[in-house]
Amino acid sequence: GAVVSQHPSWVICKSGTSVKIECRSLDFQATTMFWYRQFPKQSLMLMATSNEGSKATYEQGVEKDKFLINHASLTLSTLTVTSAHPEDSSFYICSASSGSVSEQFFGPGTRLTVL
Amino acid sequence: GEDVEQSLFLSVREGDSSVINCTYTDSSPTYLYWYKQEPGAGLQLLTYIFSNMDMKQDQRLTVLLNKKDKHLSLRIADTQTGDSAIYFCAEHTGGFKTIFGAGTRLFVKA
Repeated sequence: GAVVSQHPSWVICKSGTSVKIECRSLDFQATTMFWYRQFPKQSLMLMATSNEGSKATYEQGVEKDKFLINHASLTLSTLTVTSAHPEDSSFYICSASSGSVSEQFFGPGTRLTVL
Repeated sequence: GEDVEQSLFLSVREGDSSVINCTYTDSSPTYLYWYKQEPGAGLQLLTYIFSNMDMKQDQRLTVLLNKKDKHLSLRIADTQTGDSAIYFCAEHTGGFKTIFGAGTRLFVKA
């Protein structure tokens, strides 16, 4: 299957700082990328959907000014957690799709810890 | 809204079959998926089934779909210790949205 990478795989930051997480599709063009958040022992919660070249669509309850998403190219989407707080600590997972309804490839996830 | 429910925990002996169950609420999902997540890792797509199918078999994996009861199951034959992981059921609804269940933790005893 297609490969999606995330960078960094883990990050620790101080409260109040911003953190950028990258999601890359390595061997295909991702017209759509999804960002999920997963709390310990819980399911994935969709945060937003982004299409290349357009603004992301955020799920209800997700602050767009806090979680900035940029999908600048067909192989890269970034999620920036601005002014991070301890409650933002979580496992963030991206997925990418080339447009086929059945195929959504997941990245390995990024564990964010905010002190 | 749409919802996907799964049992949270399953324990089986190595060599036995595992059956993980899932129910969904969407009236017309297009696809239903099973994903596997190992500790600290992302999700790996195991298999998926079109909503117009009743069954799909892929090596040790068998997926059964009962559309009337909105019930999906994943059977793993000859379960191995390497199958220990969290298994997520997910449905793809209209609008390119995938709804995940809470995950079933499969523990395989040697």
